[in-house]
Amino acid sequence: GAVVSQHPSWVICKSGTSVKIECRSLDFQATTMFWYRQFPKQSLMLMATSNEGSKATYEQGVEKDKFLINHASLTLSTLTVTSAHPEDSSFYICSARETDRVSQPQHFGDGTRLSIL
Amino acid sequence: GQNIDQPTEMTATEGAIVQINCTYQTSGFNGLFWYQQHAGEAPTFLSYNVLDGLEEKGRFSSFLSRSKGYSYLLLKELQMKDSASYLCAVKDSNYQLIWGAGTKLIIKP
Repeated sequence: GAVVSQHPSWVICKSGTSVKIECRSLDFQATTMFWYRQFPKQSLMLMATSNEGSKATYEQGVEKDKFLINHASLTLSTLTVTSAHPEDSSFYICSARETDRVSQPQHFGDGTRLSIL
Repeated sequence: GQNIDQPTEMTATEGAIVQINCTYQTSGFNGLFWYQQHAGEAPTFLSYNVLDGLEEKGRFSSFLSRSKGYSYLLLKELQMKDSASYLCAVKDSNYQLIWGAGTKLIIKP
């Protein structure tokens, strides 16, 4: 089955640090990847859609200069949280689709728990 | 606006059956997904419905009525490991996934 790998799984760092999260599709190519954020006891919130070879599409209210997304290849997308602050502490999850078929589900990485001190 | 409603929390007994409902109001409809999410983990795909009716997959079944904007996830022979949040998501006319807030299912012995 389709496997999405996300790294690191847990990050604790000081305020002001930039943190890079990687999302890889291990056994398929993904032209589109998605980045979500989830606060405790809340649902997934889509942050941006990452398209290989082009700029990401950000959801309303998400600062593109703070959350930098790069989708340089068909198997790798990265999210960099720049100058992170405590309010950025959250669970970040990426997902990818094998194809653009409507029925194709998104396969999720294991998530990255980010804690900013 | 687009909206997906699910109960916040449900409790059921091990070995029993539980039905988790989802109602939606979206701009267009291109299918409905159910995902399971254990605490602290990422969601995993359970089912996809695009036509009316029941889709059965082992202990889990998912039903869709497009005219009513309604779906349910049916879990049979509940096991303790089924304790998780269950997320309903609808793909709208722009093929964007609209997520419900999830239903936390608590299984008691």
